[in-house]
Amino acid sequence: ETGVTQSPTHLIKTRGQQVTLRCSSQSGHNTVSWYQQALGQGPQFIFQYYREEENGRGNFPPRFSGLQFPNYSSELNVNALELDDSALYLCASSSTRGPGRSNEKLFFGSGTQLSVL
Amino acid sequence: GESVGLHLPTLSVQEGDNSIINCAYSNSASDYFIWYKQESGKGPQFIIDIRSNMDKRQGQRVTVLLNKTVKHLSLQIAATQPGDSAVYFCAENLLGGGADGLTFGKGTHLIIQP
Repeated sequence: ETGVTQSPTHLIKTRGQQVTLRCSSQSGHNTVSWYQQALGQGPQFIFQYYREEENGRGNFPPRFSGLQFPNYSSELNVNALELDDSALYLCASSSTRGPGRSNEKLFFGSGTQLSVL
Repeated sequence: GESVGLHLPTLSVQEGDNSIINCAYSNSASDYFIWYKQESGKGPQFIIDIRSNMDKRQGQRVTVLLNKTVKHLSLQIAATQPGDSAVYFCAENLLGGGADGLTFGKGTHLIIQP
């Protein structure tokens, strides 16, 4: 077990709705990253938060947004859900010890399986 | 497009044999690489990592080899066990990464034959 917990584990939404996914990072980790994993594919980077600010972003539209809280937990919000948003959403935490090192020793949670109907 | 890829989508090995999973990357600016194992219904599990200033790193029953000349990464698993059955991903980190996240390949499904 990594100590990264995500909720809920499964979620079913309909197109156009909004969703919020939650993540608690591993103890001692100050950086949280979110990834989207489509069936049969590798995870794709959505964004990363460090010290409550977005530290980097992948090729995802603005309707994907996030927050990091003072206790380093995080939320991923997706507005105006589309069918293609159906995927496993993974949260990962790490301990950033210096510039450019925020992706090292990245530990993942078990994910939230989102189905959009 | 993806800069990290895997040569084989499926690899079948006999229990007790050694497994070798390969990965090719295209970005010479990548300075850090990680191997993950993902079992069905679970998130990726960290196996081993290596920096670009190293050629080889060993863990418990696993070895990662990095050949920067041909941009090739491999994961060797010694004495493969049924519990090793999973999808294996390599991932790379661009120098100064954070802004770009890790880049993952599509994965290799390791199947263990009894």
